[in-house]
Amino acid sequence: KAGVTQTPRYLIKTRGQQVTLSCSPISGHRSVSWYQQTPGQGLQFLFEYFSETQRNKGNFPGRFSGRQFSNSRSEMNVSTLELGDSALYLCASSGGRQPTDTQYFGPGTRLTVL
Amino acid sequence: GEDVEQSLFLSVREGDSSVINCTYTDSSSTYLYWYKQEPGAGLQLLTYIFSNMDMKQDQRLTVLLNKKDKHLSLRIADTQTGDSAIYFCAECPSGSARQLTFGSGTQLTVLP
Repeated sequence: KAGVTQTPRYLIKTRGQQVTLSCSPISGHRSVSWYQQTPGQGLQFLFEYFSETQRNKGNFPGRFSGRQFSNSRSEMNVSTLELGDSALYLCASSGGRQPTDTQYFGPGTRLTVL
Repeated sequence: GEDVEQSLFLSVREGDSSVINCTYTDSSSTYLYWYKQEPGAGLQLLTYIFSNMDMKQDQRLTVLLNKKDKHLSLRIADTQTGDSAIYFCAECPSGSARQLTFGSGTQLTVLP
């Protein structure tokens, strides 16, 4: 069974640009969550999608948005990039939304904003 | 508010036991998790414990939960060099099934 895949793995952008990151969950998984990981702030929850609907949202500005498609693949978009958006963006998929439903993480997309 | 704290570094000798500690603040947390992150990789769930349990053992891993003190620990028996990684504890507040709050991570270094 293939794991969670994230594309691209590495990305370099400049301030003011926008970026779209993609996450393909494990086959059959309907829940996809996104996290931002930085040395200063650690791992922070961005949002969660289940059955194409955003279920939870973390404390991030509106520049951060996402969506989920009918095949459960998810994208997140960051508009008007700032230097502080440089981070590792991780997505995780799970079969359900219960706390005991294991979240499987992808390897992440490393975004560098210059 | 929610906050999860861990010590940043731990160094042990191969074959010894490692104990990684974590404190959390949200008393409504129903599940607490331990994740492992190796360089260049995502997070791997190691184990979790339900808040009404005191202890959970899974092969070389033992999780202890002191709910009164909001203290969680992960013990790794017979630590191997392959256990070198960053270990994160995370809490799942009640009603937020997928919204985990992570600690800062503990870098475990296993010396030969």
